[in-house]
Amino acid sequence: DQQVKQNSPSLSVQEGRISILNCDYTNSMFDYFLWYKKYPAEGPTFLISISSIKDKNEDGRFTVFLNKSAKHLSLHIVPSQPGDSAVYFCAASSTIYNFNKFYFGSGTKLNVKP
Amino acid sequence: NAGVTQTPKFRILKIGQSMTLQCTQDMNHNYMYWYRQDPGMGLKLIYYSVGAGITDKGEVPNGYNVSRSTTEDFPLRLELAAPSQTSVYFCASSFPGLQNTEAFFGQGTRLTVV
Repeated sequence: DQQVKQNSPSLSVQEGRISILNCDYTNSMFDYFLWYKKYPAEGPTFLISISSIKDKNEDGRFTVFLNKSAKHLSLHIVPSQPGDSAVYFCAASSTIYNFNKFYFGSGTKLNVKP
Repeated sequence: NAGVTQTPKFRILKIGQSMTLQCTQDMNHNYMYWYRQDPGMGLKLIYYSVGAGITDKGEVPNGYNVSRSTTEDFPLRLELAAPSQTSVYFCASSFPGLQNTEAFFGQGTRLTVV
């Protein structure tokens, strides 16, 4: 039973436009959420995180939004650049239930077209 | 800055053979993890460790063993390789304090069992 879901396997966006990647989770005990970026033949690299005490966290072109009532988070990339083309994984963990044990979604492959 | 180092990068095993995937980190992280990524799927947690001498099962531990004798090293052992273990394996580490923090990943080991 997958606790973190990314329902869009792929997304194609024009350079300069906004990319919105979505993630849903089922476990209400999750209180820490992360986005990772993965290039081919490399390991995932941490991008941005958000704690459940916030509903938004911003870092440069990347913003993560958390909607706890809907158990949904999204990653916004503005403006999108060709170098952003990668697979993006959403991950979640629970401070109380399974401290720093991460559950990952299946990933969304983002293609930013020049 | 080496970070998390995995060896080997590639390996082909015959059914029934054994091997150890090596993982070492130089960041003095107390938490370490092994994940596998199957095509089109997210990362599934195999085993994790919260410190030297302490290991625990993740979501998909069958067919694997781990040990953690030092803070730096967290090898993953496959005793009787099966085709279902064909996957990309990622080792990761983290250093959570009072709150959850991100994990740092190695570059991965691509394993094929034939």
